[in-house]
Amino acid sequence: GAGVSQSPSNKVTEKGKDVELRCDPISGHTALYWYRQRLGQGLEFLIYFQGNSAPDKSGLPSDRFSAERTGESVSTLTIQRTQQEDSAVYLCASSSQSGGQETQYFGPGTRLLVL
Amino acid sequence: KQEVTQIPAALSVPEGENLVLNCSFTDSAIYNLQWFRQDPGKGLTSLLLIQSSQREQTSGRLNASLDKSSGRSTLYIAASQPGDSATYLCAALGKLSFGAGTTVTVRA
Repeated sequence: GAGVSQSPSNKVTEKGKDVELRCDPISGHTALYWYRQRLGQGLEFLIYFQGNSAPDKSGLPSDRFSAERTGESVSTLTIQRTQQEDSAVYLCASSSQSGGQETQYFGPGTRLLVL
Repeated sequence: KQEVTQIPAALSVPEGENLVLNCSFTDSAIYNLQWFRQDPGKGLTSLLLIQSSQREQTSGRLNASLDKSSGRSTLYIAASQPGDSATYLCAALGKLSFGAGTTVTVRA
């Protein structure tokens, strides 16, 4: 079946603008994760959704970052008033169980460049 | 907070040599440990998942071991090929705390 998809694949924006990144998880996967990877750095956890439970937002770097998920489907990550340090690849992953008991499947990422 | 460290940061070997990549983590109460590879300009590819009750997993030329008591995992790649050149990441826990990766170059 189809894997995790993300859109857009690339986004260039001006400093101060808002951006929305979209993730379509694998159908039936209850868990969804957002990560980001800045150039030359490791992956950084942002937020975790599991079914209808309250999301784990412990990785969000500031209140400019927020994410929503509709049921067990699409998720959007919103960055308000973007800054140059927000430039990174934003990766989404989904898995079929919570607590990390199942493999996480990653999307191709959205490359965000803030000018 | 879980901290994951990977050593070495970079590795260059001639084709045919075996590769040994090390990963250490600070919190032994992990659910699983997952190894990924990342190719330039592409997303992550999952290689192996070791659950907390397991000690190793094998897939083809890849073998990953897990020692929770010492907080270590090792990825072995046998008979390396130029196509194995990539950055290899290990990650621990359900929310996946990632190491910074080991960049591998296999010289033809």
